[in-house]
Amino acid sequence: DADVTQTPRNRITKTGKRIMLECSQTKGHDRMYWYRQDPGLGLRLIYYSFDVKDINKGEISDGYSVSRQAQAKFSLSLESAIPNQTALYFCATSVRTSASSYNEQFFGPGTRLTVL
Amino acid sequence: AQSVTQLDSQVPVFEEAPVELRCNYSSSVSVYLFWYVQYPNQGLQLLLKYLSGSTLVKGINGFEAEFNKSQTSFHLRKPSVHISDTAEYFCAVILSGAGSYQLTFGKGTKLSVIP
Repeated sequence: DADVTQTPRNRITKTGKRIMLECSQTKGHDRMYWYRQDPGLGLRLIYYSFDVKDINKGEISDGYSVSRQAQAKFSLSLESAIPNQTALYFCATSVRTSASSYNEQFFGPGTRLTVL
Repeated sequence: AQSVTQLDSQVPVFEEAPVELRCNYSSSVSVYLFWYVQYPNQGLQLLLKYLSGSTLVKGINGFEAEFNKSQTSFHLRKPSVHISDTAEYFCAVILSGAGSYQLTFGKGTKLSVIP
């Protein structure tokens, strides 16, 4: 079974609809992240959470909100979807480590969202 | 702020030929460097990373990369590619130091291996 799962894997919706993308992990990691990937632009950070009570905006948070329901679950919401939010969305997790070391991020399989 | 430049958006190469995917970064402080691979319809997988020590880093699937501080580069190489290496490759950096977390990605390079 995958350590980081995302649902749904594909979603088509209409402009103005509210959409929620969900991420679950069984890795026991503290930290979770949401990225979007656009062709030719790489991945950009939307939101990140270091624990259940710690949520932070990333590079491109406008138009998005998140909820950390539990250590293992981190949801991304689009309150009123618009066409330029059509993208591939990735969830990632990492573990809290000592101050001097890097904490590798592990990525889910992605959710392809199309907003018509 | 750091940024990452992947100089080639697409690289076609014949099977069993060598390949180099180029990555340059800009940062005024020390960074950690990474290459991720994304196979079609899949998430990202870590290929290799440079944190410290030897500047030549070996990763999975026969890939390696060399950190060049003076050139601020971290180019990815493989001496002989296979069809299965067809994928998109992303270079990424993160500031070294306490609690570093924010990866900055390049725009990606699509490697197409031609039979």
